[in-house]
Amino acid sequence: AQTVTQSQPEMSVQEAETVTLSCTYDTSESNYYLFWYKQPPSRQMILVIRQEAYKQQNATENRFSVNFQKAAKSFSLKISDSQLGDTAMYFCAFMKQGDMRFGAGTRLTVKP
Amino acid sequence: SAVISQKPSRDICQRGTSLTIQCQVDSQVTMMFWYRQQPGQSLTLIATANQGSEATYESGFVIDKFPISRPNLTFSTLTVSNMSPEDSSIYLCSVVPGGTDTQYFGPGTRLTVL
Repeated sequence: AQTVTQSQPEMSVQEAETVTLSCTYDTSESNYYLFWYKQPPSRQMILVIRQEAYKQQNATENRFSVNFQKAAKSFSLKISDSQLGDTAMYFCAFMKQGDMRFGAGTRLTVKP
Repeated sequence: SAVISQKPSRDICQRGTSLTIQCQVDSQVTMMFWYRQQPGQSLTLIATANQGSEATYESGFVIDKFPISRPNLTFSTLTVSNMSPEDSSIYLCSVVPGGTDTQYFGPGTRLTVL
């Protein structure tokens, strides 16, 4: 079974600075998808970024980018120019054919 | 993506009773899922809701406790039966719209059992 590990339960960053959230996973599959979701206090799960395992190029979405290292099974999220609205729980997730598994989450606080 | 709604958004229930949560999607989707998120925890998959057949449950979840219906490709319900305080959680539905290989989530239902 696939497992996803987020080793940082909590992190904080100053507004306008850059922060990186870590995620590792374990799988024997070669084709799969990786995701970062954001969950603010409203509890809505919001898709931040998506990476297809067969693509070597790292995904980017505005201030959000990933460092995908397939051989190392690592998928970190970098948030640039952090904003107060980025304060939330961030979940890393692995998906294969609709079967999605989540990490334990990292609580990110952006400080003014 | 997809627009997903859930009803109710929150509820407070007495132990021993049952609550049915509805999930509505604005387009037809083959894959629909139900998750539980206990306080301060990550999401745990309860089951895959299959249209026209029985739901597929994950280990630790049983149909008698969490019966699921999926009458068509845009709607599903999850019932939490014979509730106890341990069932207090957020329950979320999600879908994978065709061709996206991405799960999109409903807003969740916050359940408190007294």
